[in-house]
Amino acid sequence: EADIYQTPRYLVIGTGKKITLECSQTMGHDKMYWYQQDPGMELHLIHYSYGVNSTEKGDLSSESTVSRIRTEHFPLTLESARPSHTSQYLCASSELGAWDYGYTFGSGTRLTVV
Amino acid sequence: GENVEQHPSTLSVQEGDSAVIKCTYSDSASNYFPWYKQELGKGPQLIIDIRSNVGEKKDQRIAVTLNKTAKHFSLHITETQPEDSAVYFCAAIGDNNNDMRFGAGTRLTVKP
Repeated sequence: EADIYQTPRYLVIGTGKKITLECSQTMGHDKMYWYQQDPGMELHLIHYSYGVNSTEKGDLSSESTVSRIRTEHFPLTLESARPSHTSQYLCASSELGAWDYGYTFGSGTRLTVV
Repeated sequence: GENVEQHPSTLSVQEGDSAVIKCTYSDSASNYFPWYKQELGKGPQLIIDIRSNVGEKKDQRIAVTLNKTAKHFSLHITETQPEDSAVYFCAAIGDNNNDMRFGAGTRLTVKP
């Protein structure tokens, strides 16, 4: 079954730790996205990719980085986590060129930095 | 760029009543308008969408209307049920956009 997977679902870590949030999709989608969702619900685009070796920063400034070495994999890394990074992180994907089809979202990673 | 505004931010209705969520967009080139439902602990899921060549689309208890002249579109849920309780997002995109623009979300609560 085609889908998009995020791991871990929940993560509690200490300040200063390096973490990587994983996102994988089995649909062969070229475009992938990372959103940060604040407690007020709003979705903020932090990174996106059009395909392998393509990464772009989104609207919301983020101290995280991403990589796209394989089509199906789009991990997000925080080199040194801080309490301000506490949030819900959502990964999504879509077909390149198919602008009029919706995004497919993962279930999210809820990150808490203590 | 595109800017999508969504109202209201919270909505509480009695079971069986109707719920309406409204969105406006700024870019007249936008021509695809999806709606997402996000349940607690899950990611947003596409529930219905509409393209600019139609004015209304229905899927059982859910309908979406689009007014391109006024640049607004709405989600209508009839005969609401407690399981409709969730956060709903509208979005807009056109073929000249790089990415989809989302509204700020509406938290719908259906009281039994």
